[in-house]
Amino acid sequence: DAGVIQSPRHEVTEMGQEVTLRCKPISGHDYLFWYRQTMMRGLELLIYFNNNVPIDDSGMPEDRFSAKMPNASFSTLKIQPSEPRDSAVYFCASSLVGASYEQYFGPGTRLTVT
Amino acid sequence: SQQGEEDPQALSIQEGENATMNCSYKTSINNLQWYRQNSGRGLVHLILIRSNEREKHSGRLRVTLDTSKKSSSLLITASRAADTASYFCAFLSGSARQLTFGSGTQLTVLP
Repeated sequence: DAGVIQSPRHEVTEMGQEVTLRCKPISGHDYLFWYRQTMMRGLELLIYFNNNVPIDDSGMPEDRFSAKMPNASFSTLKIQPSEPRDSAVYFCASSLVGASYEQYFGPGTRLTVT
Repeated sequence: SQQGEEDPQALSIQEGENATMNCSYKTSINNLQWYRQNSGRGLVHLILIRSNEREKHSGRLRVTLDTSKKSSSLLITASRAADTASYFCAFLSGSARQLTFGSGTQLTVLP
């Protein structure tokens, strides 16, 4: 298996622009998580899905952030409009129920908003 | 959410020495996991210990869990330069299906 796939790996955009991050989880995994990592705040859980349904989005910082999972093999995290404080590394992770919830992380998307 | 706390925040040792990192948490847990993150990469699962276990080994890794003290430690024996990374504890508690991650320990192994 190719593991969790994220795209793009790097994104540089100007303040006010829309940003869309993409994730393909490991085939067969039924949980998908979006995290944000910064030096100041560490690793923060933004939202997670179970069987494509959002379960907990309490970590989503503002209404500017939205996430979707239209099917079992694809999820997006959108920021609109983006702001410089959104600059961070965004990780997607997936896991399988019954496997002690061990998570498999993607390589991350480094977002820079200027 | 309640984060785990790790100490030390940073640790620098010579190759061949042992490295010990500690994690504390505040709630009862189902299991506790340790992850490694190399610079610029995603986190990689290392080892899991269940709440009814006290010690677990995997290669050069040894994890202990003390539920009475709500703490865990990760020992890396005979460290190598390639072990240089950030190490995070993460725990699963209650009916939650998401992990709560600690703040991480940055380990540097000097050749």
